Amino acid sequence: KQEVTQIPAALSVPEGENLVLNCSFTDSAIYNLQWFRQDPGKGLTSLLLIQSSQREQTSGRLNASLDKSSGRSTLYIAASQPGDSATYLCAVNTGANSKLTFGKGITLSVRP
Amino acid sequence: ETGVTQTPRHLVMGMTNKKSLKCEQHLGHNAMYWYKQSAKKPLELMFVYSLEERVENNSVPSRFSPECPNSSHLFLHLHTLQPEDSALYLCASSRLASGFGNTIYFGEGSWLTVV
Repeated sequence: KQEVTQIPAALSVPEGENLVLNCSFTDSAIYNLQWFRQDPGKGLTSLLLIQSSQREQTSGRLNASLDKSSGRSTLYIAASQPGDSATYLCAVNTGANSKLTFGKGITLSVRP
Repeated sequence: ETGVTQTPRHLVMGMTNKKSLKCEQHLGHNAMYWYKQSAKKPLELMFVYSLEERVENNSVPSRFSPECPNSSHLFLHLHTLQPEDSALYLCASSRLASGFGNTIYFGEGSWLTVV
């Protein structure tokens, strides 16, 4: 059974810092991995999707990497801003019907 | 605005009530999903519909009954729920292609409180 782990559960950093959020998964047989952002009381917003054949994806200040063989992904946020404060969730797609297995998320707080 | 709309955003219901959650996607996708998000737990997949057929039922109690009348609409019918069913229910959609999974888009969710 696929399990996704995100550690730590919460992180607080000063504005401007570059930071890395980690995600690990137990079964490397995945179709893709997706990073989401969730603001309090809201739904999920997709940030980046990495197909299993890819190593990384970039969007603006965000860069996500995937090492499928070791079961790891990282989300790199450059020059963090208070508006980046949210919960970041990692999810792996292990089925042809795009079934996602989620981690519990990392709650990020960026202090002004 | 993700293109996936859920109503109502908030719902309070008694354990003997019957209510429904509605989801509509405007993205031309061919798959729709219900997920449950409870405090301190990862999002849990409940149901998957592909081309209007239910292809996954993730051991969900029968008091939750999904319905997908067409590729744009998905309902979750609720009856005789328990207080532990209180959670955020998220609808999502995607376009399935052979061999790959595409980006999944989520709605804003429906906050359900069972009293």
